[in-house]
Amino acid sequence: DQQVKQNSPSLSVQEGRISILNCDYTNSMFDYFLWYKKYPAEGPTFLISISSIKDKNEDGRFTVFLNKSAKHLSLHIVPSQPGDSAVYFCAARTSGTYKYIFGTGTRLKVLA
Amino acid sequence: GAGVSQSPRYKVAKRGQDVALRCDPISGHVSLFWYQQALGQGPEFLTYFQNEAQLDKSGLPSDRFFAERPEGSVSTLKIQRTQQEDSAVYLCASSSLGLGSPSSGANVLTFGAGSRLTVL
Repeated sequence: DQQVKQNSPSLSVQEGRISILNCDYTNSMFDYFLWYKKYPAEGPTFLISISSIKDKNEDGRFTVFLNKSAKHLSLHIVPSQPGDSAVYFCAARTSGTYKYIFGTGTRLKVLA
Repeated sequence: GAGVSQSPRYKVAKRGQDVALRCDPISGHVSLFWYQQALGQGPEFLTYFQNEAQLDKSGLPSDRFFAERPEGSVSTLKIQRTQQEDSAVYLCASSSLGLGSPSSGANVLTFGAGSRLTVL
């Protein structure tokens, strides 16, 4: 039973355009959501987070939107750059716990 | 250290061999996690330590998997009698906050580069 789902295994976007990565979840008790970026042969690196009490969090080119009623979050990257090419994971945590549940990832390719 | 360090980076084992994977978390980090990432999948939780206490080992796939963190810093994940299905990248992560910390917030995990295990 996959509680965190990333249904698009891959996405290609032209440099300078917007990249939108999506994540769906099933557990309404999740209170924090994180996005991680992973380059080959490296560990995941933290990108941005959002609390369940917010619907938007912005950090530079990265914005995460949370729609609790739809149990859906998305990561927007504007403008996309070739260096953004990586695998992106969303992860979620239940309030009062410590472990994050990860999605299967979306591979983003930004074309120059 | 500045980041989470894992060794070895790559390990090839023959089926039936025992392996030990080491994790050096960020100095002073209370929480330490082990995750397993199979090819094409996201990281799957294995176990969690708060200091030297192993508070959750619910993700360990079998009793062949054992983890320890005896002094609350370095951790070792041991896999006995390795099987082909154990082939994966084993990721260690640490965070400065522990369960129940007043400011737990998002409790962001910092990951190491992982140890890639291949069982032949």
